[in-house]
Amino acid sequence: DAKTTQPTSMDCAEGRAANLPCNHSTISGNEYVYWYRQIHSQGPQYIIHGLKNNETNEMASLIITEDRKSSTLILPHATLRDTAVYYCIVRFASNFGNEKLTFGTGTRLTIIP
Amino acid sequence: DAGITQSPRHKVTETGTPVTLRCHQTENHRYMYWYRQDPGHGLRLIHYSYGVKDTDKGEVSDGYSVSRSKTEDFLLTLESATSSQTSVYFCATKDGAYEQYFGPGTRLTVT
Repeated sequence: DAKTTQPTSMDCAEGRAANLPCNHSTISGNEYVYWYRQIHSQGPQYIIHGLKNNETNEMASLIITEDRKSSTLILPHATLRDTAVYYCIVRFASNFGNEKLTFGTGTRLTIIP
Repeated sequence: DAGITQSPRHKVTETGTPVTLRCHQTENHRYMYWYRQDPGHGLRLIHYSYGVKDTDKGEVSDGYSVSRSKTEDFLLTLESATSSQTSVYFCATKDGAYEQYFGPGTRLTVT
């Protein structure tokens, strides 16, 4: 699996857009970028994933650079409930189920009132 | 939310005793996983299942066994608990090729 690099921590003001970067310079052509988050003491929560194109859902947007070596997760209007550790993961999509998600240390995002 | 529950949510047990953790899902997802989360290690896969009675080992399977007799239930057993198995255990499920859905976790303390 491609290794990812994320900042250890970030702060963002409530109501502003939170932009979380991730570097994955060794990503291969058929590996997806996934984002999960973990709010304190809860199980990880899936946010979004993408391959090449930018993606948007009700939670966030994912911007992937053209060379696919980095990506940015955007939470458009951060709220206090978005305070969590955010994990960027690069992985093949598999219908065989025999994959493990390798969660690194992630980015601890703190939303400031 | 894939309707995943874990039981018990908290357990304290003594070294050498057997412990079984249960994961129950209501979404009929084919794949189920057990992870443990420890400070400094992130989440590590213990075992996974790709169908009823079909299971395989993950990266930290020593000391753990699993069983899946029904689609909705995935059991994790510590045959003889050790202090190194003190951890938070998460169950996850997956239906298609992409996202995994996680349960709320079980905090296990082995004294």
